[in-house]
Amino acid sequence: SAVISQKPSRDICQRGTSLTIQCQVDSQVTMMFWYRQQPGQSLTLIATANQGSEATYESGFVIDKFPISRPNLTFSTLTVSNMSPEDSSIYLCSGGGTGLHGYTFGSGTRLTVV
Amino acid sequence: DAKTTQPPSMDCAEGRAANLPCNHSTISGNEYVYWYRQIHSQGPQYIIHGLKNNETNEMASLIITEDRKSSTLILPHATLRDTAVYYCIVSGSNDYKLSFGAGTTVTVRA
Repeated sequence: SAVISQKPSRDICQRGTSLTIQCQVDSQVTMMFWYRQQPGQSLTLIATANQGSEATYESGFVIDKFPISRPNLTFSTLTVSNMSPEDSSIYLCSGGGTGLHGYTFGSGTRLTVV
Repeated sequence: DAKTTQPPSMDCAEGRAANLPCNHSTISGNEYVYWYRQIHSQGPQYIIHGLKNNETNEMASLIITEDRKSSTLILPHATLRDTAVYYCIVSGSNDYKLSFGAGTTVTVRA
């Protein structure tokens, strides 16, 4: 199965600034997703990163706040824009084929906004 | 809307089998049952999935009832390293998205 690397692993950011998280897969994958996991909570799907086109966002998430790029089949970025303390979470990237063999997850980016 | 229902927590003894139940009474014909687990401070890890037949791999077995409204994940010989949150997820074959519920926190005790 694919191996996913996320950078940075953690960061502390000032409110009002933006952070871009990178997700690199060691092989080409069809599907890539971004999740948020708030402290003590389960994972919430933010969006599906589509290669060469705009991401598909879930209800409650918008492109202006969480712009996503996916220039090829091995790489994606998620930007958390105009951050506030409520954005403090772990952000996880996931990827794989069509899911029938399971998706792989990165280790996550632990973001703290102060 | 939650597609699956799992007990919030369960304990099991090291070396014994752990049986994790999941109800998915509204599952449709083209939806699979997936199991993932998340060990503390790590990303989720895929365990197993199935459509209607029972499945087994090196990590676990998945038993799906004939009506597909419920399933059981079996960890045959639980170890302390199996302590994790286990998620049962129902996902269609045409959108490939995984929506995580609250899961079951499994604690394996020595």
